[in-house]
Amino acid sequence: SQTIHQWPATLVQPVGSPLSLECTVEGTSNPNLYWYRQAAGRGLQLLFYSVGIGQISSEVPQNLSASRPQDRQFILSSKKLLLSDSGFYLCAWSARDRPYNEQFFGPGTRLTVL
Amino acid sequence: SQQGEEDPQALSIQEGENATMNCSYKTSINNLQWYRQNSGRGLVHLILIRSNEREKHSGRLRVTLDTSKKSSSLLITASRAADTASYFCATNSNSGYALNFGKGTSLLVTP
Repeated sequence: SQTIHQWPATLVQPVGSPLSLECTVEGTSNPNLYWYRQAAGRGLQLLFYSVGIGQISSEVPQNLSASRPQDRQFILSSKKLLLSDSGFYLCAWSARDRPYNEQFFGPGTRLTVL
Repeated sequence: SQQGEEDPQALSIQEGENATMNCSYKTSINNLQWYRQNSGRGLVHLILIRSNEREKHSGRLRVTLDTSKKSSSLLITASRAADTASYFCATNSNSGYALNFGKGTSLLVTP
């Protein structure tokens, strides 16, 4: 069965510090991968998605970047965090051959920037 | 951008009652999906309804879709305290893989 992991689960970082959040998927090959951010009391905002190694599409201009160094690994990064980067970050995957079907979410990372 | 808008924002009912949540969207879709999120956790996919479908059932869940009104509803029958969570609709357009989520309905089911 497929599983998706995210770490760390929680993170407190000072403004201006770098960020690296990692997401890995097991039990499937060639998944589409997604990074979402959820602000308190709000829905999910798609940040990045990837349809293959090294292929990253950005949905919104921001202080963040994403990379996909391996087929089942998706990394969210920042060189200098802003207060507005605080939120709940969710990674998700969907099957490559079923792009319009459901997405499967990881447990999320709670990021607080102070 | 967020396309779906759920209504109501919050709903409080007692166990055994039915819970109905609505979702409206703005542009044409390939499908509409409902997800559930327990507090502080990831989202769990509940049900998907395609644009050429009008109604779909899964256990105690019933989803309807009216593409002429660009709206959908999620009905949870015989609710349980364990149904307490936030429920999100998400639309999938024909132009890409991205899901557009609404802000969610927070459901509280009291014993």
